[in-house]
Order: sequence, then structure tokens, then C-alpha cells
Amino acid sequence: AQSVTQLDSQVPVFEEAPVELRCNYSSSVSVYLFWYVQYPNQGLQLLLKYLSGSTLVKGINGFEAEFNKSQTSFHLRKPSVHISDTAEYFCAVSGLTGGGNKLTFGTGTQLKVEL
Amino acid sequence: NAGVTQTPKFQVLKTGQSMTLQCAQDMNHNSMYWYRQDPGMGLRLIYYSASEGTTDKGEVPNGYNVSRLNKREFSLRLESAAPSQTSVYFCASRVDPNPGNEQFFGPGTRLTVL
Repeated sequence: AQSVTQLDSQVPVFEEAPVELRCNYSSSVSVYLFWYVQYPNQGLQLLLKYLSGSTLVKGINGFEAEFNKSQTSFHLRKPSVHISDTAEYFCAVSGLTGGGNKLTFGTGTQLKVEL
Repeated sequence: NAGVTQTPKFQVLKTGQSMTLQCAQDMNHNSMYWYRQDPGMGLRLIYYSASEGTTDKGEVPNGYNVSRLNKREFSLRLESAAPSQTSVYFCASRVDPNPGNEQFFGPGTRLTVL
């Protein structure tokens, strides 16, 4: 079984400030980790993913995430946010679990960037 | 390429009515998925089709049925809608079931059941 915990349901931050969105996972198999972003009234789009190799992964729009196996974490960071980053962010995990190797999502973190 | 398309975008039903949500992808993907999104619960998998000709239950299949009509299309049917099925429904596709591959999402269908 696999699961994802996003500890913060909402994160308010001022424009140009740094932000970290936290994600912890559990799984009985090796995992692949994803961050998706959902802008208001839209579908989800991929920000970045970790498959293997370097634990620091860079994605679109200046976001990056660090895979930490010992802490089972995959936190998302951006050094300076913009108003346009206001959206909901989902962490997800996938692995060779059978059953279509499904993607399991966290409950999401609403990032609100204020002026 | 349009990617993943869904129809309708919005729908209001009365309890007991039936409807089919349509999904199509033009990326020649083998695997397709239906999710529902509810506030504070993230996305939960309803049904999936790992490849054309196969369908399987996900996490929350009760009250739903699916049809993989061909490689492009994967529909979700509510036979007798209930207020608990009020949600936003997303269709997604992936090139194959390899867990490292990205899923691509449609824009969603917002369903209200009165």
C-alpha cells in the first residue's frame, strides 16, 4: 500500500518570498514521486517528478523538489513566488504495486500568494 | 494536439437520473483513468483501463461503470445519480502503466446532483 500526506492544507505567502510545501509518503515498494499543480477551474499539470538519480529535481516555473529517502519526504520549494503561482498543489506517489500501478494523491496544499 | 478532452464541462442532475461522462485522448496512450476530486480529499481513483479492452476498479467504484470504447475513448456512467456523487470528475491518460510515466489530465466535469 502507498499513501501521501500533505501536512499543510493552506499556505499563505507574500509575493517574492520563498515557499516550501511539504509532502511525506509511505510505500512498501520503490516509488516514483510527482508534484502536480491545479490552477483555478482547470485540470492538473505536472510540475516535476522524481524517478531516480539526483535527489534534487527541477521543474517548470522555477519550482524544485528534494527527495529524501530516509525521511520519506519530497518537499516542493520555490525561492521567490509570484502572484501567478496561486494554485493548489498535489503531491503524488506511484510504484510497482499492481492494479495499474496507480497514482496516489495527497489531499492538496492551497498556495495563496499575496501582494 | 488537444490532449485529453472531456464533455460536458458542467452538468446538473436530479437524484436517480443517469448520465455518461465522455473522455477522449489523442496522444495514442494505452492507459486511461477516471478520478473524482472532493474538497480536502485530493483525487481518488474510480476506475482505470490499463490497456484497450481492459477495465478495473479503483478506490471508489461504487455507483459507477466504465467503458473503454476504443484506444482513444473512456467513458464513465452514473446509472442512478446520488447527491454523494456531486464532485469534479477528471479523466487522465498515460502512455502505458509504467509507474514512472506522467499522467495527463483533462479539464474536468463539474457535476451537481440535487
